[in-house]
Amino acid sequence: AQTVTQSQPEMSVQEAETVTLSCTYDTSESDYYLFWYKQPPSRQMILVIRQEAYKQQNATENRFSVNFQKAAKSFSLKISDSQLGDAAMYFCAYTSYSGAGSYQLTFGKGTKLSVIP
Amino acid sequence: DAGVTQSPTHLIKTRGQQVTLRCSPKSGHDTVSWYQQALGQGPQFIFQYYEEEERQRGNFPDRFSGHQFPNYSSELNVNALLLGDSALYLCASSLPFGNTGELFFGEGSRLTVL
Repeated sequence: AQTVTQSQPEMSVQEAETVTLSCTYDTSESDYYLFWYKQPPSRQMILVIRQEAYKQQNATENRFSVNFQKAAKSFSLKISDSQLGDAAMYFCAYTSYSGAGSYQLTFGKGTKLSVIP
Repeated sequence: DAGVTQSPTHLIKTRGQQVTLRCSPKSGHDTVSWYQQALGQGPQFIFQYYEEEERQRGNFPDRFSGHQFPNYSSELNVNALLLGDSALYLCASSLPFGNTGELFFGEGSRLTVL
């Protein structure tokens, strides 16, 4: 079974600084997707960034980027120029194709990010 | 463009009762998944519906059941509620094929079992 581990229950960062959230995963699959989702206090999960395992290039979305190390099964999220609105729970998630167009996400336990003004 | 909508947002039940939660997927999506998120935990997959059939199921007992309607909306039913069923229940929708696994989530239904 696939597992996702986030070893940092809580992190804090000064506004405008950079922070890195860690995630490791375990799988025997060679083709899969990895995600970082953000869950603010409003509760709605929002996709931050996505990485396809077959792509060697690390994904980037504006201030968000990942460091994907496939051999090490590591997938960290870097947030640059942190803003107050970045404060939220961040979940790392994994999925692989389960057949018949079916995907299910396996989530880590999350990292609570606080942004200090 | 309407996103994923869920109802009710909050509800309180007592042990042994039954509950029904509802979800309307994002416009253009026909696959609906349900997740349970206990306090302080990441979401856990309950099941997924496509073409009105349960296509995949996580490690949840038969007390958890669902349904998908022809308009792609879905219901999650939980019978014989236990205290441990208290959680945020998230509905997520997606496209079935050509999909890269991205899910679009609703804001959830917060269930409290007393």
